[in-house]
Amino acid sequence: DAKTTQPPSMDCAEGRAANLPCNHSTISGNEYVYWYRQIHSQGPQYIIHGLKNNETNEMASLIITEDRKSSTLILPHATLRDTAVYYCIVRAYSGGGADGLTFGKGTHLIIQP
Amino acid sequence: NAGVTQTPKFQVLKTGQSMTLQCAQDMNHEYMSWYRQDPGMGLRLIHYSVGAGITDQGEVPNGYNVSRSTTEDFPLRLLSAAPSQTSVYFCASSRLAGSRNEQFFGPGTRLTVL
Repeated sequence: DAKTTQPPSMDCAEGRAANLPCNHSTISGNEYVYWYRQIHSQGPQYIIHGLKNNETNEMASLIITEDRKSSTLILPHATLRDTAVYYCIVRAYSGGGADGLTFGKGTHLIIQP
Repeated sequence: NAGVTQTPKFQVLKTGQSMTLQCAQDMNHEYMSWYRQDPGMGLRLIHYSVGAGITDQGEVPNGYNVSRSTTEDFPLRLLSAAPSQTSVYFCASSRLAGSRNEQFFGPGTRLTVL
């Protein structure tokens, strides 16, 4: 799986959009970009994933650059409950494979009141 | 659905003791896995299984055994606990098919080995 680079921490004001960047310059054509988050002491939670098109769901939006070497996770209206560590993970779809998710240290997002 | 459940939530062991961490899921997922998370670190894969009767090693398998006799259960056994195994352990499950591959995580077991 390709390696990802994320800033170690970010602050965002409550009610504003939180934009979390991720670099994955060695991503392969068959690799997806996944985002998970881990709220303090809990198990990680899936947020969103994409291949090359921008994606949106009820939690967030994912913007992937045209060359796919970087992406941005957007939480449109951050709340205090969004304070967490956010992990950007690049992984090939492998329906029969199961090598797990490679978690780096992620970005600790702190939402300020 | 209960999702992924783990027991116990907390455990303290002495060096050399053995124990089993329990994990169960009720989503009929083929894939199950165990991770450990040390302070300030991301999760690291210990063992995984793609179905009943099939298990394989992840990144940090030493000191741990697993078995998968049913689809629902995937216990993790510590054979002879060591202080280096003090960590938070997470179990996860997912379907194998489909690009979503969303993994569902349990609440974790916090293990301290003295």
